[in-house]
Formats: sequence, C-alpha cells, structure tokens
Amino acid sequence: DAGVIQSPRHEVTEMGQEVTLRCKPISGHDYLFWYRQTMMRGLELLIYFNNNVPIDDSGMPEDRFSAKMPNASFSTLKIQPSEPRDSAVYFCASTLGGTNQPQHFGDGTRLSIL
Amino acid sequence: DQQVKQNSPSLSVQEGRISILNCDYTNSMFDYFLWYKKYPAEGPTFLISISSIKDKNEDGRFTVFLNKSAKHLSLHIVPSQPGDSAVYFCTPERHTGTASKLTFGTGTRLQVTL
Repeated sequence: DAGVIQSPRHEVTEMGQEVTLRCKPISGHDYLFWYRQTMMRGLELLIYFNNNVPIDDSGMPEDRFSAKMPNASFSTLKIQPSEPRDSAVYFCASTLGGTNQPQHFGDGTRLSIL
Repeated sequence: DQQVKQNSPSLSVQEGRISILNCDYTNSMFDYFLWYKKYPAEGPTFLISISSIKDKNEDGRFTVFLNKSAKHLSLHIVPSQPGDSAVYFCTPERHTGTASKLTFGTGTRLQVTL
C-alpha cells in the first residue's frame, strides 16, 4: 500500500515567490495534518482537516500561509509571499479517526527560501 | 505552552546495552502516549503507545513505562541496535471522539554506537 505522498521533496526558491506543497493522504484516511519542522521549534502542527474540512488552523503562522483540501485524496499548503524564515521541512500526515490511531507521515518537503 | 518535555536532547548508548528515553508531561487528562521514531530525511513513524490506564506496554525490544503520579514516561530499548539511531518523539493524545492533535517537541536523538 502506498503511504502518504508529498511533492516536491525539495524546493528552493527566492524570497517573495509563491510556494505550493502537495500531499496525497493514504486512501481511506479521513484526517490530514500539516506539520513544520525547524531546529528551534521541533515538529509543530500547522493545520488539520477532517473529511476535507479545516478543523484547526491555530498553528498557521500568519496570513501568508494557506491550506486547502479540495478532495479526499489531495491537499496543498501554500505560502505567498515566501520569506527566508519559512525555510523548514514540511510534513503531511494522515490517519483514521478514533483513539490511539497513529498518524502516518510522508517523507516531507525540504523548503529553502533564499 | 509545552505539554510534554523531553529534557535530554541527545543520548549515546553502546550497541547491546539498554537505551532509556524519558518524557515528562503536565496534563493528567491525556488518554494515550505515543512514541514516534524519525530517521533523517524521512517522516516520523509510529513505534509504540501506552494507554493512561496502564503502567507498562511491551513490544519486542521496546517497552514503555508510565508513572502517572510523577507524570513521567520512559521508553526502554533493549538490546539497543545501530538501526535504532534516530530521533524519538513522545506525543500525548487526548481522546475527543475524533482524531487527536499530537504535540511534538524537539525529541531526543539516540545514537547507538558499535
């Protein structure tokens, strides 16, 4: 079975450009999470969806960040305009609902903003 | 507001010996605690969990101990193997009838030496 698929694996772009990160969750999972990992803050939750609906976006750092889930098999995280401090590894994860259901993570997108 | 703390950022253990990774938490309302392991350039993967009504859970070389009075849990790996070298995250979960937000911190980096 395919796991969570993220693209691209690496993205290097200049400050001010729009960046779009993509995620395909595991089929049948109805929860999707976006995380960001930095050296200083570790792995922090940005936003999560249930049945394609955003449930909690309190971790989104600012209005330059937006996330969508147009259908059950696809989600995007967009940064516009991007800034050097957005450089991090961004992970997507999915899970079934319920107690003690582990989240399954993709391999992340390493984003570098120059 | 950190709900969990892994106070040791790194740990080095010789192959064959026991590795003990510690985690302290503040909220006594958590239902489960999950441990994830993360290799470089990969997403975290679920390792083992423990219910808050138990004090021990064992799975092969991995055992989790929970001390509710001290709000402390630990992951024991015995015997440690070089392939165990990774970053380990302790994440609490509170069951709300839906998928839970996981709180990751900066983790503990385990290095198993030959």
